[in-house]
Amino acid sequence: DAKTTQPPSMDCAEGRAANLPCNHSTISGNEYVYWYRQIHSQGPQYIIHGLKNNETNEMASLIITEDRKSSTLILPHATLRDTAVYYCIVRAPNQAGTALIFGKGTTLSVSS
Amino acid sequence: ETGVTQSPTHLIKTRGQQVTLRCSSQSGHNTVSWYQQALGQGPQFIFQYYREEENGRGNFPPRFSGLQFPNYSSELNVNALELDDSALYLCASSLTNEQYFGPGTRLTVT
Repeated sequence: DAKTTQPPSMDCAEGRAANLPCNHSTISGNEYVYWYRQIHSQGPQYIIHGLKNNETNEMASLIITEDRKSSTLILPHATLRDTAVYYCIVRAPNQAGTALIFGKGTTLSVSS
Repeated sequence: ETGVTQSPTHLIKTRGQQVTLRCSSQSGHNTVSWYQQALGQGPQFIFQYYREEENGRGNFPPRFSGLQFPNYSSELNVNALELDDSALYLCASSLTNEQYFGPGTRLTVT
């Protein structure tokens, strides 16, 4: 079972920031938080991951709370092409045979 | 574009038949994972191959099997197809921790 909890859906206006929350209250000390997204009928796309510090790349920012029990993915200026299902996943690194355990994710709808 | 390709993109099979799906991993990636995604659900892990050996498996029956070749490309074989095997089959290649997914193969079993 997925170790994360996400709201099933969120709406965002184009050009505004989209803030997607994730709860992972049982995360272990060596587990990272990963975010992927899946645009309709395509393969999931890696977005970003982090351990305890905030991370930023060209796609998004990841804010992890100090107790690491929750995190927020931020898309700073959402566009229509950001409409997708967003998955928050916790996973320990470098474990042979470990898989990404996907929950149902958050369906983000960006509208003009 | 992740550099991971899958073939075919779509296919239709009849219950009881066998199917082989193919995946070419991103250059240099030595690990391939396969996932099944039913409509409206998140992807479910089938198994993973590392340097031609299976090194992890999800809750799927033995009629789901696979291979990884020396060039790290991979096959997923499903025997005795059932209607519930209808799904999007995804492969993902990795070298370290990030997995990069292909576009998937849509399998319909009638």
